[in-house]
Amino acid sequence: QGLLQESGPGLVKPSETLSLSCFVSDDSISAYFWSWIRQPPGKGLEWIGYIHHSGDTNYNPSLKSRVTLSLDTSKTQFSLRLSSVTAADTAVYYCARLDWGVGLDNWGQGTLVTVS
Amino acid sequence: QSALTQPASVSGSPGQSITISCTGSSRDVGGNNYVSWYQQHPGRVPKLLIYDVSNRPSGVSSRFSGSKSGNTASLTISGLQAEDEADYYCNSFTTRNILVFGGGTKVTVL
Repeated sequence: QGLLQESGPGLVKPSETLSLSCFVSDDSISAYFWSWIRQPPGKGLEWIGYIHHSGDTNYNPSLKSRVTLSLDTSKTQFSLRLSSVTAADTAVYYCARLDWGVGLDNWGQGTLVTVS
Repeated sequence: QSALTQPASVSGSPGQSITISCTGSSRDVGGNNYVSWYQQHPGRVPKLLIYDVSNRPSGVSSRFSGSKSGNTASLTISGLQAEDEADYYCNSFTTRNILVFGGGTKVTVL
């Protein structure tokens, strides 16, 4: 069992909202930035956004209008909501720890979300 | 924000050295030293290989090295081995503090 574990529905209907959570298994959630990345089948990586417990967030401009990240320190988890999904949002979604100045140094196993 | 530009594929024979380029702009690669590289084997999770242009995390082989010149970063794999066959992605912060990935490069060991 790694540091990060994604959870959420594997199937979402078009036009609905994709919701995923990432559980952080140690007490470091307040010490780092946390990020979401996705990878459509057979394609490359796409950064979605990051969040810090201070409230600092930043999003991929191409997804910004549809993405919301949140973080719950009491549950040691952070979450992704992506609204108005289409088939183009079908991808493996990864959560990852963003160590500022280092990079995405710890990744979850990824979860496949299919929009259909 | 456009993706960083990487060659789709690079190949080499065992023992050789190969270099993967990652071209951006002054708004990303050329504007800071927060360039990182990731290795992804088929069906596996990406792994951080290089950070801050040329630093290796603990446990990463010294056969992997990174550099940057202007708006182009490079990853060099020396002494190419069969296990290096994978996809490689560069990544950079931009001047707006957002992240951008390259399109990925498939490395084939001949």
